[in-house]
Amino acid sequence: EVQLVESGGGLVRPGGSLRLSCAASGFSFSDYEMNWVRQAPGKGLEWIAYISNRGLTIYYADSVKGRFTIYRDNAKNSLFLQMNSLRADDTAVYYCARDIQLLGSDAFDIWGQGTLVTVTS
Amino acid sequence: EIVMTQSPATLSVSPGERATLSCRASQPVSNQLAWYQQKPGQAPRLLIYVTSTRATGIPARFSGSGSGTEFTLTISSLQSEDFAVYYCQQNNDWPYSFGQGTKLEIK
Repeated sequence: EVQLVESGGGLVRPGGSLRLSCAASGFSFSDYEMNWVRQAPGKGLEWIAYISNRGLTIYYADSVKGRFTIYRDNAKNSLFLQMNSLRADDTAVYYCARDIQLLGSDAFDIWGQGTLVTVTS
Repeated sequence: EIVMTQSPATLSVSPGERATLSCRASQPVSNQLAWYQQKPGQAPRLLIYVTSTRATGIPARFSGSGSGTEFTLTISSLQSEDFAVYYCQQNNDWPYSFGQGTKLEIK
């Protein structure tokens, strides 16, 4: 079964750090680009980070640039998001999502179940 | 950054009827537009990519159309399981932005 499972969420103080993990199974992880998407409570989806299949190309949303780092370990079929200098508005469910090339376009075809990050004092 | 605007914010439709959801891009995105469905407590699910192609396992009652800046998701005959929030996403240019969502509710 093709699956993504996030972990690492939790409660953290403003200014603190957290590392999220996303474990992939059921497909050749190293062949796929990956993304992190977050959703604040009761709000819509926000794309925040992208990494190419070998990790050579990375993009970030302005809202997290300079604070968050996306990286991957293809040998361990894992994607990560290192989050530093966390703020209250980073509170959200964080999803990892597989990026598939379909008809020359990107689409996020597989999503994890999400992990909740709560930033509060 | 391309801003995606969905309308309406909430759409009330009776089961069996047709639902039409709109998505507008602040600048042309060619046909690089995807639609996702999200139910409460669940992750989003890919419905449509490149404007009009259904993802694997998506029923034929879901269809997408449009180009440039104006896009539409149509659900031809609503089933109970279709009541959810729908998001459009442009993937023409980074950052790949989502619309704010349309909540499809039972009338």
